[in-house]
Amino acid sequence: NAGVTQTPKFQVLKTGQSMTLQCAQDMNHEYMSWYRQDPGMGLRLIHYSVGAGITDQGEVPNGYNVSRSTTEDFPLRLLSAAPSQTSVYFCASSTAGRVDGYTFGSGTRLTVV
Amino acid sequence: AQTVTQSQPEMSVQEAETVTLSCTYDTSESDYYLFWYKQPPSRQMILVIRQEAYKQQNATENRFSVNFQKAAKSFSLKISDSQLGDAAMYFCAYRSTGTASKLTFGTGTRLQVTL
Repeated sequence: NAGVTQTPKFQVLKTGQSMTLQCAQDMNHEYMSWYRQDPGMGLRLIHYSVGAGITDQGEVPNGYNVSRSTTEDFPLRLLSAAPSQTSVYFCASSTAGRVDGYTFGSGTRLTVV
Repeated sequence: AQTVTQSQPEMSVQEAETVTLSCTYDTSESDYYLFWYKQPPSRQMILVIRQEAYKQQNATENRFSVNFQKAAKSFSLKISDSQLGDAAMYFCAYRSTGTASKLTFGTGTRLQVTL
């Protein structure tokens, strides 16, 4: 049981480049989310999904796109990277029923230069 | 919108002693969940303890316990018999029970454990 798998673990981008952060879970969780973590600011919600085909914006959605075509996968796309997007990104998943908290991936450290 | 406040950016405790981390939150909902997550240097987010708002009894997990004061909207974490492995960032988080439930985090408390 792999849980939540995020790739890559580290990435350096140049300003203006695009990329996709991958997230996959094998627990058949309905809910999936993307957070970014910045020093002194905790984790802030970027986008989330309550099921395949359903996504919505979180607190800091600008510059990011998501889609959810399957229950398992929830990729995060950076359309045109900016230095302000330098951060650690976490994907997380959860059941819709009994609430056990979210299960988190191991994170992606992204640096935009 | 819900907010979560952790007013202690850093705390320090001696090994084997007890420490309490503070968390307050603001919500207009009556039913919700509260969590404490631990983030060690490995960066992994680890669920420490959870509390359901409709339960008056404080949650306990081994050396970790909470003091949940619903009226005061307070949710503190007590770590007893502190160990070196407890050194980490600790985040308090709120989750509503609605369909689009998501986590709202505080800014975290960095806990140092000294010999």
